[in-house]
Amino acid sequence: NAGVTQTPKFHILKIGQSMTLQCTQDMNHNYMYWYRQDPGMGLKLIYYSVGAGITDKGEVPNGYNVSRSTTEDFPLRLELAAPSQTSVYFCASSSTGGSYNEQFFGPGTRLTVL
Amino acid sequence: SQKIEQNSEALNIQEGKTATLTCNYTNYSPAYLQWYRQDPGRGPVFLLLIRENEKEKRKERLKVTFDTTLKQSLFHITASQPADSATYLCAPVLYNQGGKLIFGQGTELSVKP
Repeated sequence: NAGVTQTPKFHILKIGQSMTLQCTQDMNHNYMYWYRQDPGMGLKLIYYSVGAGITDKGEVPNGYNVSRSTTEDFPLRLELAAPSQTSVYFCASSSTGGSYNEQFFGPGTRLTVL
Repeated sequence: SQKIEQNSEALNIQEGKTATLTCNYTNYSPAYLQWYRQDPGRGPVFLLLIRENEKEKRKERLKVTFDTTLKQSLFHITASQPADSATYLCAPVLYNQGGKLIFGQGTELSVKP
């Protein structure tokens, strides 16, 4: 099992450009999440999904969009990138939404917006 | 709103000593508390979960306590090793939070040989 994979690992984006961060998991998990982590800060939830076709906003959704057409994939779309979106982005998954369930994280995408 | 605080300053200890990290929360009563480890340039990795009715939980050299009166969890690493150097994140979770974790900012631990 590869677990949770993310691409790209690094990317530099110009202000106003758009891009999609890819996330795939091979554990057949229903729940998937996108977090961002700024230096010295904890992870903040951007969006999450409880299954294919179902997504919902987290704590900091502005400037982002998601879709979930399959169980495996949960891409994060940045539209009109801004410097405030410079961050490290982590995708995660869990088998259920139970609060006792551990989350499995990908390696992250380090994004810089200039 | 839910607030979580971990030691913001890095913790430096000598190899072989016990490291103790603190996680304080306010404005809510979590049913569970999850602890994760994060190495530089990597995603967090789950370590332990403790439930509100468990005062203490152990896993190898790790020990976690959960004091619902003090609204605090302590994370101990006994006989610490340089390989334990990492950032440790806590996430107190409500019973019906639906997987939407809220993390503390993490405490960086450095174990010197």
